[in-house]
Amino acid sequence: KAGVTQTPRYLIKTRGQQVTLSCSPISGHRSVSWYQQTPGQGLQFLFEYFSETQRNKGNFPGRFSGRQFSNSRSEMNVSTLELGDSALYLCASSSEEGRYEQYFGPGTRLTVT
Amino acid sequence: KQEVTQIPAALSVPEGENLVLNCSFTDSAIYNLQWFRQDPGKGLTSLLLIQSSQREQTSGRLNASLDKSSGRSTLYIAASQPGDSATYLCAVFLSNYQLIWGAGTKLIIKP
Repeated sequence: KAGVTQTPRYLIKTRGQQVTLSCSPISGHRSVSWYQQTPGQGLQFLFEYFSETQRNKGNFPGRFSGRQFSNSRSEMNVSTLELGDSALYLCASSSEEGRYEQYFGPGTRLTVT
Repeated sequence: KQEVTQIPAALSVPEGENLVLNCSFTDSAIYNLQWFRQDPGKGLTSLLLIQSSQREQTSGRLNASLDKSSGRSTLYIAASQPGDSATYLCAVFLSNYQLIWGAGTKLIIKP
């Protein structure tokens, strides 16, 4: 099976702009989670989706939003970008069958200038 | 509130040594614990997953243990190699579908 894919891999945006990141899970996986990784804060949970429903959301401002489509692909959107949003955004998918093992994509490196 | 701590933050050892990385968590109500590896600028590679009902898991030269009652997990790496150099992260998976992460241990294996 193909792994988790994320597009684009790199992005450079300007403060105030918005951005949309995409994640395609492993075939058959219906749970998709998003994490932000920064040198200062480490890895932090953004949100998790299952069957197009958000089941949990981390402690991030409303500028961060996401959605999941019927084919389990997910997108996250960040509006009104701030310098502090510069980070590696990682997507993970998992099967709901027992182990909940998380498989991560390569990430999208977002730089806000 | 669940917190995950990894000690040490960094470790440098000569090639061939056996080593242990430590992970502790404050709340034993976890679904599972995963160990990951991250190479510089790259994503996360899953190494081992231990279910809350299990005590240990092994994969090749890696062995991970879990003691839920004491809130501790260890990752044992046997016969270390320069290719093992990376940051190792542990994370606990909670019933609300999120991973809580440690800050990682940066491991350098010297040839």
